[in-house]
Amino acid sequence: NAGVTQTPKFRILKIGQSMTLQCAQDMNHNYMYWYRQDPGMGLKLIYYSVGAGITDKGEVPNGYNVSRSTTEDFPLRLELAAPSQTSVYFCASSSSRTGNEKLFFGSGTQLSVL
Amino acid sequence: AQTVTQSQPEMSVQEAETVTLSCTYDTSESDYYLFWYKQPPSRQMILVIRQEAYKQQNATENRFSVNFQKAAKSFSLKISDSQLGDAAMYFCAYRSASKNNDMRFGAGTRLTVKP
Repeated sequence: NAGVTQTPKFRILKIGQSMTLQCAQDMNHNYMYWYRQDPGMGLKLIYYSVGAGITDKGEVPNGYNVSRSTTEDFPLRLELAAPSQTSVYFCASSSSRTGNEKLFFGSGTQLSVL
Repeated sequence: AQTVTQSQPEMSVQEAETVTLSCTYDTSESDYYLFWYKQPPSRQMILVIRQEAYKQQNATENRFSVNFQKAAKSFSLKISDSQLGDAAMYFCAYRSASKNNDMRFGAGTRLTVKP
């Protein structure tokens, strides 16, 4: 029962570095999401995907890129990391378009950009 | 855009007592879904309860229940018989029925349970 798996759990980057946050789910969910959670704030949607090969921007996409080559994987790419990207990142998935479907969340990646 | 407001950054409750967490939202839509998620120190997001806006009956899940006031755009969470394990951040969330890829979260309420 792996669910949604995120790696790494923690990472420190220097300004200008790049990295990829990995996310994989084993529930055959079509919908996948990337959120960021800043201290004392709720989650904000960065990007989402409704299926392999289909991605779209959320509320705060600047500075990030995503790809969805398979149903299982949805990596988030940070290019030229900035201190403003210091946050906790959550990947999530859900099974269908039905709005009341719950999101299954990964355990998060805490990223610090120094 | 829809916004979700949680006006209580922190709340505390005595073990075995009842506490209510507040949530209001702003929308012009008539069909939507509302959720309460719990985030313990482990950071794992856990669904507590959900409500469809077209349902008049308030949702209940064991010790957790909601007071959904559609006209007032209010969605409060009541926790009865509070337990130490209920201590966590609680997030209220809104999801449009027509644009359900976008779930909006409030800033959260940190609940402390005193033994």
